[in-house]
This record gives sequence, C-alpha cells and structure tokens, in this order.
Amino acid sequence: NAGVTQTPKFQVLKTGQSMTLQCAQDMNHEYMSWYRQDPGMGLRLIHYSVGAGITDQGEVPNGYNVSRSTTEDFPLRLLSAAPSQTSVYFCASSYGPRAGGPSEQYFGPGTRLTVT
Amino acid sequence: AQSVAQPEDQVNVAEGNPLTVKCTYSVSGNPYLFWYVQYPNRGLQFLLKYITGDNLVKGSYGFEAEFNKSQTSFHLKKPSALVSDSALYFCAGKKAAGNKLTFGGGTRVLVKP
Repeated sequence: NAGVTQTPKFQVLKTGQSMTLQCAQDMNHEYMSWYRQDPGMGLRLIHYSVGAGITDQGEVPNGYNVSRSTTEDFPLRLLSAAPSQTSVYFCASSYGPRAGGPSEQYFGPGTRLTVT
Repeated sequence: AQSVAQPEDQVNVAEGNPLTVKCTYSVSGNPYLFWYVQYPNRGLQFLLKYITGDNLVKGSYGFEAEFNKSQTSFHLKKPSALVSDSALYFCAGKKAAGNKLTFGGGTRVLVKP
C-alpha cells in the first residue's frame, strides 16, 4: 500500500491565484481530512469527509473548498490564495465510525505552500 | 469547544533519562486521546491512543501514556530516552461521538547524548 499520498510537495503561488492540492489513499478509509500546520499552533482542521459525497467544515475552512467524489481522493482547493495561507498542508485518513471505535489517522507527507 | 494544550514548547533530556511530555485536554464526555510524532519534513506518525479502560496505555517505540480523568491530563512518557526520540510530539483529542480531532500546539523534544 502507498498509504496517503499528496501532490505537489512544494508550491509557490502569487496572491489571487488558485490551485488544487491533491490527496489520495489506497486503504479504503471512509474518513479523510485536511489540516494546516503553522508554527506554535499545531495542526488545525480545515475540512473533513466521512465518506464519498459527504464533506463538512473544520476549524479554519475559509478560503478553501473540498469535494469527495470517490473514496480514494479528497482534493483541497484554494480559491484565491492569500499570504495568510502560507503553511504546510497535511491530508489524513482513517477508518470511519462504521468500522467501530476510534481509529488513528494516517498522514500524508505534506505540501509546503508559499503565497507571495 | 474542545481544546488540547501542551504547556511546554520544548523538553530537553539526556539520553537514558526518563522523558515526559505533558498534555491536558478539555473535551466533553468521554474523550478519545492520541499521541503523534513528527520527524523533520515528514508527516505525523501515530504513537498510541486512549479509548477506555486501563489508564496506562502502551504504544510504539517504548512510549506509554497515562490518562488521568481528574486532572484532565494525558502525559506521554518513556522510561529511557534515545537520541533518535528527538522530534516534535503532538497530543490530540476528540469527543467519543465526534468527527473533529483537535491538536495541541506541539512539544519539541531534544534528547542529548
């Protein structure tokens, strides 16, 4: 299994540009999520999904969109990039509630995004 | 709203000495609590979790954590630290029936030879 994969690894954007961060998992996990990691603030949840066709907002959803058309993929879209979105973005997946009990999350390697 | 706090930004310990990384939580009801470790330029790796039952949870790489409901704490411990344990450690928690995991700010551990 490849686990959780993310592309690209690095990205530089200009203010106002849009882009999509890709995330895929091959573990048939129901639950997928996106976090951003900023120094001293830990990881903050942006959006999450409990299954194909179902998404919900996390702690810091503004400026980001998600969709979940398949179990495997969970792309994150930046609509109009701002310098405040400079961060490291992590995608994670886990078994969902129907699997029974809380499952730990598996994290991708991250995407380092800089917005100038 | 739920929250997780890690009161120490950095912990320094000599190799072979005990290591403790502190975590306190504010999660309603019965919490599910997790510890993750992050090595430089890598994603987070799961260490251990508390769901219910025994307050002492054993995890990967010799780590363990103690759940204390009265003090709302879930401290991570290792009896004898290794230089290779130097990394960034995150505590996280969620409600039993919730879908949102909340992370603490992270604690950098530096183990000196």
